[in-house]
Amino acid sequence: ETVLTQSPATLSVSPGERVTLSCRASQNIEIYLGWYQQKPGQAPRLLISDASRRAPGIPPRFSGSGSGTDFTLTISSLEPEDFAVYYCQQRRNWPPLTFGGGTKVEIK
Amino acid sequence: EVQLLESGGGLVQPGGSLRLSCAASGFTFSGYAMSWVRQAPGKGLEWVAAISGSGGIIFYTDSVKGRFTISRENSKNTLYMQLDSLGAEDTALYYCAKGTNVDHPYFFDYWGQGTLVTVSS
Repeated sequence: ETVLTQSPATLSVSPGERVTLSCRASQNIEIYLGWYQQKPGQAPRLLISDASRRAPGIPPRFSGSGSGTDFTLTISSLEPEDFAVYYCQQRRNWPPLTFGGGTKVEIK
Repeated sequence: EVQLLESGGGLVQPGGSLRLSCAASGFTFSGYAMSWVRQAPGKGLEWVAAISGSGGIIFYTDSVKGRFTISRENSKNTLYMQLDSLGAEDTALYYCAKGTNVDHPYFFDYWGQGTLVTVSS
């Protein structure tokens, strides 16, 4: 099973700041990583697929990068609606499809 | 507009059973793999099971193999999952999620709002 480790667990930031979230895979997953955003009481929303492909309707302030075992989700300038939990997910080595433990982005 | 509407959750005793349903609309249901993903209270996301668009390819996470059965009825645009031999560790919000590929889910571009399964005596 491919384990995904997200860091940090919690990030306290102010609106307008640049945010970088990390996801590290326990084995090579090439580019086959996605990112989701989940707000309280809501279902997850797909932001990025295959490391860097933004899903339809996702603002350009969200960008993804990385390959192999190290991946990054960057929010260029945090908007108030971006405070949420972010999860990564891999599709290279499955079953099982696996998710990271999540990073909570909270207001400083 | 894509919509996924889950139902069938509830309170069940340990060892009991439930059948979850997910009614899909707004897309060609048979053209996409579907999955169930669960989230225990206050915890992260866990993929549970996947089924291809035709229903011919099925995968489960190890912890539910032999206890859960995923299926689909394309004529009714509905996804199902039979949950048997339930334990406390199965308590979670169960999401129905649409995959981005016909045979394998890959990623999940649409999610339902979830149906809550609580296993307790």
